[in-house]
Amino acid sequence: SSVLTQDPAVSVTLGQRVRITCQGDSLRSFSATWYQKRPGQAPVLLVYGKNNRPSGIPDRFSGSSSGNTASLTISGAQAEDEADYYCNCRDSSYGLLEVFGGGTKLTVL
Amino acid sequence: EVQLVQSGAEVKKPGESLKISCQGSGYSFISYWIGWVRQKPGRGLEWMGIIYPGDSDTKYGPSFQGQVTISADKSTNTAYLQWASLEASDTAIYYCARRGVDSISSRASDFWGQGTQVTVSS
Repeated sequence: SSVLTQDPAVSVTLGQRVRITCQGDSLRSFSATWYQKRPGQAPVLLVYGKNNRPSGIPDRFSGSSSGNTASLTISGAQAEDEADYYCNCRDSSYGLLEVFGGGTKLTVL
Repeated sequence: EVQLVQSGAEVKKPGESLKISCQGSGYSFISYWIGWVRQKPGRGLEWMGIIYPGDSDTKYGPSFQGQVTISADKSTNTAYLQWASLEASDTAIYYCARRGVDSISSRASDFWGQGTQVTVSS
């Protein structure tokens, strides 16, 4: 099956911009979806498709993609953004299936 | 309001069977795929499989094929995840999620259950 690779940990200073990346061959064909996961809570959908956000998600979260790399950018990180972030994509090897990246722990300093 | 409500925490012994549930409300249950995601302690999210309640079409991730069974009951708007024989390594939180976005290029789970903690220990 496909593999999505994320940096295990990233840090950002409060109010600054941070980019979280996800690499994988599936991303050349399919868009990444990004989820936020806080401890003890269910995942929350942040961004999908060509930079679409569900209602209620702040516009400081945005997505982009180039080649085999997808990125989630947080413009003006807030303390409450400290969480784990997961990319997700269709599995290019198995049609209807999906795969998650390993996750990135974001620390807001 | 769309909601997915999962069954409560379970404590089981190795070798026992288990079926956990996820009941949907506030939308047409038969019209959206429902997926299951595992999170082991201290680990990341793992995509297990998915079912379309309208016709019970089911797909499993390679690591989960033959290990679990996903099913759905249209009459009660409920999806299920079950094990025939649990192992300690099945200890995890299990989430169900509705696949609200499903296009050729993009998929996304827009509503999630609260999670079910499954603990397998002798």
